This record gives sequence, C-alpha cells and structure tokens, in this order.
Amino acid sequence: SQTIHQWPATLVQPVGSPLSLECTVEGTSNPNLYWYRQAAGRGLQLLFYSVGIGQISSEVPQNLSASRPQDRQFILSSKKLLLSDSGFYLCAWTWGTGELFFGEGSRLTVL
Amino acid sequence: QKEVEQDPGPLSVPEGAIVSLNCTYSNSAFQYFMWYRQYSRKGPELLMYTYSSGNKEDGRFTAQVDKSSKYISLFIRDSQPSDSATYLCAMSVRGGSYIPTFGRGTSLIVHP
Repeated sequence: SQTIHQWPATLVQPVGSPLSLECTVEGTSNPNLYWYRQAAGRGLQLLFYSVGIGQISSEVPQNLSASRPQDRQFILSSKKLLLSDSGFYLCAWTWGTGELFFGEGSRLTVL
Repeated sequence: QKEVEQDPGPLSVPEGAIVSLNCTYSNSAFQYFMWYRQYSRKGPELLMYTYSSGNKEDGRFTAQVDKSSKYISLFIRDSQPSDSATYLCAMSVRGGSYIPTFGRGTSLIVHP
C-alpha cells in the first residue's frame, strides 16, 4: 500500500532562519507531488507541484522554493523565513486521477 | 465568484442526526469530485471520490453530484461525535496536473 511521510511534524524557527521540510512517498512510482499551506480559517493554498524529477511549478511567488531530487521525494525550502511563513504545511500525492492523498502536515511557527 | 463555494459553518448537530454538507461550483469542466475529512492539526483524509453524477455510498457516507446544477453534497447518517471535523470538498478537471480546487471547508460539530 502507499504511504506518505512528512517531517518534521512541528517546528519553531526564528525570522531569517532557513527552512527544510521533507516529504517521501512509498509504494508508488512517478507520483504527482504537491505542497500546500493551510492558514487558520483560510483553506488550502497550493504552493508548488511536480509531475516528475526536477520539474517544479510554482503557484504563488514568495520566498519559498521546492525541489524534487528523487522520484518520491519532495522538499520545501526557504533561505530566510518571514513571520508570514507561519502555517500548516501539507504534502500530497496523486497517481494522476485527481484524488490527492495528504501527509500528516508540518506546523511551522516563525517567531 | 469563487470557483468553489462552501459554507464554513460551524454546523452543530446532535448525535444521530443526518448531516448534509454542500458545495457549489462554477466551472463546468470539473469532472472529479472529492470529499475530505480533516481533524484538528491533522492532514486531510480522502473520504469519497466520484466522477459521475448521481449517488455514491460508503457506509454512513453518501456523496451526491448534480452536474446540471453544479452542486455536490455529502450526507452523513447516524452522525457520531467522532465525525466532528472540518469537511472539505474538492474538484478537478480531467488531464494536466490534476490540481484540485478546494472549498474552504465546513466545520462540523456533533454533540452527544
């Protein structure tokens, strides 16, 4: 069966520090991968998606970036965090049939 | 007008009630329809997935799609306190990157 792992689950970072969130999918190959951010009461905001290794599409211009170094690995990064980067970050994958499967999320607090 | 509209609630019902959650949409190209359940501080969990008009049943859950009215519903029978969560509808077009468009979610509270 397919599983998705996302870490760390919680982190508190100072403004200006770097960020790295990792996501790994097991049990499938060549998935579409997605990073979402969910702010309180504001729904899901798509940040990045990838249809293959090294292929990244950005939906929202900001100080975040994403990379896909391996088929089933998706990384969300920032060189310098802003207060506004605080939120709940979710990684998701799909076979390409429209149904997304989400990880447990990473809660980021920037102080 | 947003592509997907969903009342944020909260919707509060007594245990055992039938719950109706709804979304409307404006893009007639949507072909895949999904409902997710999200507990507090957790990732969304896929509940129902359908790609045709009509009803799809899974245990206490029934998903209904009316493409002519651009309206989808999720019914929960015999609601339980454990059903208390936020329910998000989502829909996508066929092909491309299959990026779904999400509703903002409805908060459901089932009280004993």
